[in-house]
Amino acid sequence: QKEVEQNSGPLSVPEGAIASLNCTYSDRGSQSFFWYRQYSGKSPELIMFIYSNGDKEDGRFTAQLNKASQYVSLLIRDSQPSDSATYLCAVEASGGSYIPTFGRGTSLIVHP
Amino acid sequence: GAGVSQSPSNKVTEKGKDVELRCDPISGHTALYWYRQRLGQGLEFLIYFQGNSAPDKSGLPSDRFSAERTGESVSTLTIQRTQQEDSAVYLCASIPTTGTGLAKNIQYFGAGTRLSVL
Repeated sequence: QKEVEQNSGPLSVPEGAIASLNCTYSDRGSQSFFWYRQYSGKSPELIMFIYSNGDKEDGRFTAQLNKASQYVSLLIRDSQPSDSATYLCAVEASGGSYIPTFGRGTSLIVHP
Repeated sequence: GAGVSQSPSNKVTEKGKDVELRCDPISGHTALYWYRQRLGQGLEFLIYFQGNSAPDKSGLPSDRFSAERTGESVSTLTIQRTQQEDSAVYLCASIPTTGTGLAKNIQYFGAGTRLSVL
């Protein structure tokens, strides 16, 4: 059973702070990692993906991957109220599988 | 079309009735997924279609659920004899499966169908 765990939150941070969202996974064969953002009542949309150990930065977002410890995180710098949403972590296994396992998501609230 | 299109956007039905949900993927996307998302929960994988290959039905929760897809076009998800626990948002997503790196695995979601079983 492949599991992807996320703290459901809510994670509350003040505007301008760094929000840190974490995700752990059980399948050591996992190769590809995705972060999706889902606004309330809307469908998920991609924020970032990562497959190599280390950090990947895109604007205010940084994804961090540590395969040895089996976790992936998403940092949001200079958090804005518009970042308030649920963030879903998705993990894909090796071997060409295109079926991701999604975590339950972490609710982020950025308050002014 | 420009994005993944799902219809209807909302469906209210009575317990025991059959419902059919439709998904029109992005043109050229060979793979299509159905997910179920209950209120406050994550995405639950239901079924995966890739081109003309046999679908992966491993996520279907019961034999009341079935889905079809003709080639790389529209897909329909059918729920027979609906139960109240089937109430959820049903999301469809498609991926390119062509291109470089992980970009070909990015899921593009439709707006979903909100199903309410009374």
